[in-house]
Amino acid sequence: ETGVTQTPRHLVMGMTNKKSLKCEQHLGHNAMYWYKQSAKKPLELMFVYNFKEQTENNSVPSRFSPECPNSSHLFLHLHTLQPEDSALYLCASSQDQGDGYTFGSGTRLTVV
Amino acid sequence: GESVGLHLPTLSVQEGDNSIINCAYSNSASDYFIWYKQESGKGPQFIIDIRSNMDKRQGQRVTVLLNKTVKHLSLQIAATQPGDSAVYFCAENGAGSYQLTFGKGTKLSVIP
Repeated sequence: ETGVTQTPRHLVMGMTNKKSLKCEQHLGHNAMYWYKQSAKKPLELMFVYNFKEQTENNSVPSRFSPECPNSSHLFLHLHTLQPEDSALYLCASSQDQGDGYTFGSGTRLTVV
Repeated sequence: GESVGLHLPTLSVQEGDNSIINCAYSNSASDYFIWYKQESGKGPQFIIDIRSNMDKRQGQRVTVLLNKTVKHLSLQIAATQPGDSAVYFCAENGAGSYQLTFGKGTKLSVIP
């Protein structure tokens, strides 16, 4: 258990579906992140939240919508995704800027 | 643009031998570097980190070396074990930044 919990672990969804990914951290960290990991590509930063406020949106399509209700929880709402959005979506947290991340185990998303 | 990259995409070593995984970075303003290990089906796990005011740091069976002159980072694993088989990522963090930049990863395979 890394202290960062992601659910579900696996998700298969159709292109017209709406689903949400959930992330919860039990570490008292101030910053939370969504990363996308595709095969043979570096980890791609999607969103950064610091003290519940979004500080970065890395040119992510609007079909991905993040939500951070408090410093411990982070959601990624998905709608009308494309097959190329299939990937491992990783949540991470850090105490402060300049610190390393603690990652969750990820959600393996397949869009059919 | 600024980037972090790995010299070798795959590395095979005999069990018991030492492993060396290399990483080049191009952002001279980076002041914090981290190595992560990612096993199949899991999120990246922190291994060891080093700040730019150091050139060497040791952990349990792992050593990170930082050469700021040539912007090079390496991870040395002593007495490599089958459980070390994974993908290893280097990451860098510029001063005052929340964002970690990751390399593509090196897959380490340990031959029993």
